[in-house]
Amino acid sequence: GAGVSQSPSNKVTEKGKDVELRCDPISGHTALYWYRQRLGQGLEFLIYFQGNSAPDKSGLPSDRFSAERTGESVSTLTIQRTQQEDSAVYLCASSSPGERPTDTQYFGPGTRLTVL
Amino acid sequence: SQQGEEDPQALSIQEGENATMNCSYKTSINNLQWYRQNSGRGLVHLILIRSNEREKHSGRLRVTLDTSKKSSSLLITASRAADTASYFCATDAGTNAGKSTFGDGTTLTVKP
Repeated sequence: GAGVSQSPSNKVTEKGKDVELRCDPISGHTALYWYRQRLGQGLEFLIYFQGNSAPDKSGLPSDRFSAERTGESVSTLTIQRTQQEDSAVYLCASSSPGERPTDTQYFGPGTRLTVL
Repeated sequence: SQQGEEDPQALSIQEGENATMNCSYKTSINNLQWYRQNSGRGLVHLILIRSNEREKHSGRLRVTLDTSKKSSSLLITASRAADTASYFCATDAGTNAGKSTFGDGTTLTVKP
């Protein structure tokens, strides 16, 4: 079946503009994660959605970052007033909780954001 | 700082050799997972080892877990040029259910 998809694959924007990044998780996956990965670095957790529970927003770096999820489907990550340091690949992952809280995460291809 | 930290940061070997990467973490975990990433894009899950397991195998991959030392190792045997990628460990600390913490990764280069 279809994996996690993200759009756009690449986004170039000017400093100060707002951007929206979209993630379509695997159907039936109740958990959805957003990560940021700067060039040559590891994954930085941003936000986690699990079913109807309140999202874990503890990784959002500033109030310019927000994310929403419609039910157990699409999620949108919004970055307002973008800054050059926001340039990174933004990765989305979904998982299907089984017996344990954390199961295998399936990653999308990412959105490469470049802020000029 | 990151919960999981990989070591070494970079590793370069010849095709056919074995590659060993290590991961250390700080707090108790429920499980530890290894992922692979090509070209800075999406990660691919390789293997999960639970806290009550000590060793797991999957094809040419062998993962060990030492909870007393809070460390894990990933061994890739008989490496191939196609194994060139970055490898990350991710830990689930249990108290933050669903939130895995990733390290900065080991960049493996396998020369043909």
